Amino acid sequence: GNSVTQMEGPVTLSEEAFLTINCTYTATGYPSLFWYVQYPGEGLQLLLKATKADDKGSNKGFEATYRKETTSFHLEKGSVQVSDSAVYFCALSGQGAQKLVFGQGTRLTINP
Amino acid sequence: DTAVSQTPKYLVTQMGNDKSIKCEQNLGHDTMYWYKQDSKKFLKIMFSYNNKELIINETVPNRFSPKSPDKAHLNLHINSLELGDSAVYFCASRGQGKTDTQYFGPGTRLTVL
Repeated sequence: GNSVTQMEGPVTLSEEAFLTINCTYTATGYPSLFWYVQYPGEGLQLLLKATKADDKGSNKGFEATYRKETTSFHLEKGSVQVSDSAVYFCALSGQGAQKLVFGQGTRLTINP
Repeated sequence: DTAVSQTPKYLVTQMGNDKSIKCEQNLGHDTMYWYKQDSKKFLKIMFSYNNKELIINETVPNRFSPKSPDKAHLNLHINSLELGDSAVYFCASRGQGKTDTQYFGPGTRLTVL
């Protein structure tokens, strides 16, 4: 079945550091890929998505590129802020798009 | 306006009780979902309805029964609550396109004592 594996957390960085959170997936066909973010005490918000190979999703300075050859969708940001502290979830939606399969989440803490 | 809303936000109850969580979306979406997030933050699909019909049921115990009175609402009723049911439950909805995004509600934190 479909699955998503994320970089183990927690991740702690200083403000303005470069961020990478790794995500790889296993799926049949051509899934859509997503990054969701959960701020403390809140629900999940879509951060970005990509629906086909080589697409790049971007939002709020975050980027991720759909790499079919490496089955990856790594999240990057050039300069993180304290307000980026949250739990980040990589997810995929298989063909038919009936449900999301999530990675285990990566807790990110940014120190001033 | 809130797109996907859930009530209550917090629910504390005793083992053995029956409780319901309500979900409503005003996005005009056809498909709605319930997800469970455990204490380690792991998220897993429980149910999905499309136009009031059940399309996904992921080996959830029979004590959990979703009910969709119309396509804008998907409620979750839980009988005989157990300690292991303590979690955060998220409702979500999605439009018709295959690449459409799922939009999540704020979650309901259920604590079973």
